[in-house]
Amino acid sequence: GDSVTQMEGPVTLSEEAFLTINCTYTATGYPSLFWYVQYPGEGLQLLLKATKADDKGSNKGFEATYRKETTSFHLEKGSVQVSDSAVYFCALRRNTGNQFYFGTGTSLTVIP
Amino acid sequence: DSGVTQTPKHLITATGQRVTLRCSPRSGDLSVYWYQQSLDQGLQFLIQYYNGEERAKGNILERFSAQQFPDLHSELNLSSLELGDSALYFCASTRDTSTDTQYFGPGTRLTVL
Repeated sequence: GDSVTQMEGPVTLSEEAFLTINCTYTATGYPSLFWYVQYPGEGLQLLLKATKADDKGSNKGFEATYRKETTSFHLEKGSVQVSDSAVYFCALRRNTGNQFYFGTGTSLTVIP
Repeated sequence: DSGVTQTPKHLITATGQRVTLRCSPRSGDLSVYWYQQSLDQGLQFLIQYYNGEERAKGNILERFSAQQFPDLHSELNLSSLELGDSALYFCASTRDTSTDTQYFGPGTRLTVL
């Protein structure tokens, strides 16, 4: 069945470091791919999305490219800030029906 | 603020009991999703409703049930509670079944003692 696998955390980085959080997926057809962010004590918020192969989603300095050939959607940011500390979830939505599948989340802590 | 509301924010109860969690979707959204977030299993999809009807079922236990009412709010009923049911329960909504962006509520934290 459809699934998402993302890199285990926790991840701790110094401010201004480069961030990569790996995400790979298994799905039939062409799912839409998402990154959600969960700040402490809050619900998930959509960070970015891509709906077809080679699309790049971007928001708040984060970006991810939909790679069909490697079934990946890795999240990157060139220079992280303390305020980026959160849990990041990779997710996919099947192209039939409207069911979403989430990864287990990767906790990021950015230290000054 | 996503526009999705969930009550209560926290719930503490005992094993064997039954609780009801409530979710109001964003204004105009017809579809509601329920998720369980536990430390060891991440975010698990439970069930989806669209305009009052069940649309998709995920890893929802038989002890759990849900419904969506005519005013589009939804309730998740958890019965015969076990310690392992302690988790954060999130509700999310979308405009319809083709919209791909979900808006999440702040969650209900359930603690079963």
